[in-house]
Amino acid sequence: SQTIHQWPATLVQPVGSPLSLECTVEGTSNPNLYWYRQAAGRGLQLLFYSVGIGQISSEVPQNLSASRPQDRQFILSSKKLLLSDSGFYLCACRTGLNEKLFFGSGTQLSVL
Amino acid sequence: GNSVTQMEGPVTLSEEAFLTINCTYTATGYPSLFWYVQYPGEGLQLLLKATKADDKGSNKGFEATYRKETTSFHLEKGSVQVSDSAVYFCALPDNYGQNFVFGPGTRLSVLP
Repeated sequence: SQTIHQWPATLVQPVGSPLSLECTVEGTSNPNLYWYRQAAGRGLQLLFYSVGIGQISSEVPQNLSASRPQDRQFILSSKKLLLSDSGFYLCACRTGLNEKLFFGSGTQLSVL
Repeated sequence: GNSVTQMEGPVTLSEEAFLTINCTYTATGYPSLFWYVQYPGEGLQLLLKATKADDKGSNKGFEATYRKETTSFHLEKGSVQVSDSAVYFCALPDNYGQNFVFGPGTRLSVLP
C-alpha cells in the first residue's frame, strides 16, 4: 500500500526566509499529488495539485510554489515567507478516480 | 460544482453518548463519499467510504449511509470513547475527479 513521507515534522522560520518542504511517495506510480494547508482551527485549503511530472496546478494565488521533479516527489517552496504562511501543511496522494486520498503526517510551520 | 455542507462544531459529548455529525452534499452524478478523521497533530486518515446509493460505510464503530434521496452522508456512532476525540471531515471528489471537496471539519471532544 501507499506510504507518504513528509518532512520535517516541525519547522520554525523567520519572516522573509526561504522554505522547502518535501514529500515522497512509496508503493504506487503516477499518482496525483496534493499540497494542502490547514490554518489553526480551520479546514483544509488546497494549494497545489499535480497529475504528472512537471505539471502543477495552483488553486490559490500566493507566494508559495510547487514542483514535481520526479513521479513520486512533490516539493513546496517559498522564496520569502510571510507571517500568514504559518500553518499545518499536508501532502497527499491519490491513484484513480473515486479512490481515497492518502495523507502524510504533516509539517507544522511557524513563521515568526 | 460538487460541494459539501457539514455541521460545524465543536461537539462535546460524554463517554458512551450517541454521536451524529451531519453532512449533506451537492454533486453531479453519484460520486463516492468519504469521512476522514484527523487526530491531534496528525494528518488525515480515511475513516470510511461509500461508493453508491444505499451503501453503508463502517469502521471502528462509526457508520454512514449514502442517502441519494436526502443527499446526505451523516456520520454516527452509538457509544463514543475518549479516544474518538478528533476532527472529522466529510468529503467527495470534485466535478472533474481530480481533486477532493472537503467540509470545514467538525471537532469532537469526548469527556470521561
